[in-house]
Amino acid sequence: SQTIHQWPATLVQPVGSPLSLECTVEGTSNPNLYWYRQAAGRGLQLLFYSVGIGQISSEVPQNLSASRPQDRQFILSSKKLLLSDSGFYLCAWKLSLSAEQYFGPGTRLTVT
Amino acid sequence: SQQGEEDPQALSIQEGENATMNCSYKTSINNLQWYRQNSGRGLVHLILIRSNEREKHSGRLRVTLDTSKKSSSLLITASRAADTASYFCATPPFQGAQKLVFGQGTRLTINP
Repeated sequence: SQTIHQWPATLVQPVGSPLSLECTVEGTSNPNLYWYRQAAGRGLQLLFYSVGIGQISSEVPQNLSASRPQDRQFILSSKKLLLSDSGFYLCAWKLSLSAEQYFGPGTRLTVT
Repeated sequence: SQQGEEDPQALSIQEGENATMNCSYKTSINNLQWYRQNSGRGLVHLILIRSNEREKHSGRLRVTLDTSKKSSSLLITASRAADTASYFCATPPFQGAQKLVFGQGTRLTINP
């Protein structure tokens, strides 16, 4: 069966510090991968998605970036965090020919 | 951009009652999905309904789709305390898209 992991679960970082969130999927090959951000009590905002290694689509221009160094690994990064980067970050995957997305447990980021 | 809009934003009912949530969307779609999110957790896929389907059931869940009105509803029958969560509809922004646009969600509270 497929599983998706995200780490860390929680993170408190000062403004201006770098960020690296990691997401890995097990039990499947060549998944589509997604990064979302969710503000408190709100819906999901799609940040990046990838349909293959090295292929990244950016949905929202901001100080975040994403990379997919391996088939089942998706990394969200920032060189300098802003207060507005605080939120709940969710990674998801799906098979390219399917519609359903499967979400990881999320990372709670607080920028202070 | 906003595709799905859930209504109501919040719903509080007694255990055992039925809960109905609605979703409206803007563009032509080939499917619509409903997800559940427990507080502080990742989203869980509940049900997918395709554009050529009008109604779909899964356990205590019933989803309807009216493509002429660009709307869908999620009915949870015989609600339980464990159904307390936020519920989101999600649609592809255009047919064939490899991404989803989520609504802002309905926060459902089941009172014992």
